[in-house]
Amino acid sequence: NAGVTQTPKFRILKIGQSMTLQCTQDMNHNYMYWYRQDPGMGLKLIYYSVGAGITDKGEVPNGYNVSRSTTEDFPLRLELAAPSQTSVYFCASQRGGSYNEQFFGPGTRLTVL
Amino acid sequence: RKEVEQDPGPFNVPEGATVAFNCTYSNSASQSFFWYRQDCRKEPKLLMSVYSSGNEDGRFTAQLNRASQYISLLIRDSKLSDSATYLCVVNYGGATNKLIFGTGTLLAVQP
Repeated sequence: NAGVTQTPKFRILKIGQSMTLQCTQDMNHNYMYWYRQDPGMGLKLIYYSVGAGITDKGEVPNGYNVSRSTTEDFPLRLELAAPSQTSVYFCASQRGGSYNEQFFGPGTRLTVL
Repeated sequence: RKEVEQDPGPFNVPEGATVAFNCTYSNSASQSFFWYRQDCRKEPKLLMSVYSSGNEDGRFTAQLNRASQYISLLIRDSKLSDSATYLCVVNYGGATNKLIFGTGTLLAVQP
């Protein structure tokens, strides 16, 4: 049981490039989330999904896109990378129910130069 | 006002000390409450949920005061391995189960 896995672990992008951050969970969780964490700041929600085929914006969605074609996978797409997107990105999943734990992946450290 | 506020610290304490972290939240309709622990350059992991009656897990005690919209975490007999950032987290509930994170309190336990 791998939990939540993310790839890549690290990436450096040039301004204007695009990339996809991969996230997979093997716990059959319906709920999945993408967060970003900037130094000294709390985690901010980018996008979330309550099940396959259903996604919605979080607090800071601009510059990102997501899809959820399967229960397991929830990729995050960055189009036209900007220095403001330099951050650590965490994917998380949850079984559902407000009292349940969210499980986080190990994160992707992204630098945009 | 931030939705979830914490003292950022750092808290520098000697081994064996007792340390308390406080957190306030702004949304009175919040449904569930948690403390997560985040080690340096790692992902957050659940430390414990916080219930209205208060709950204890070994050296850790969490308390919730809904009337004051206040959450606390007490760590007794601090160990070097307790050094980490402690995140206060609130779930507004509803269909999305979105978590709102505080910025975290950094704890450094000194030998």
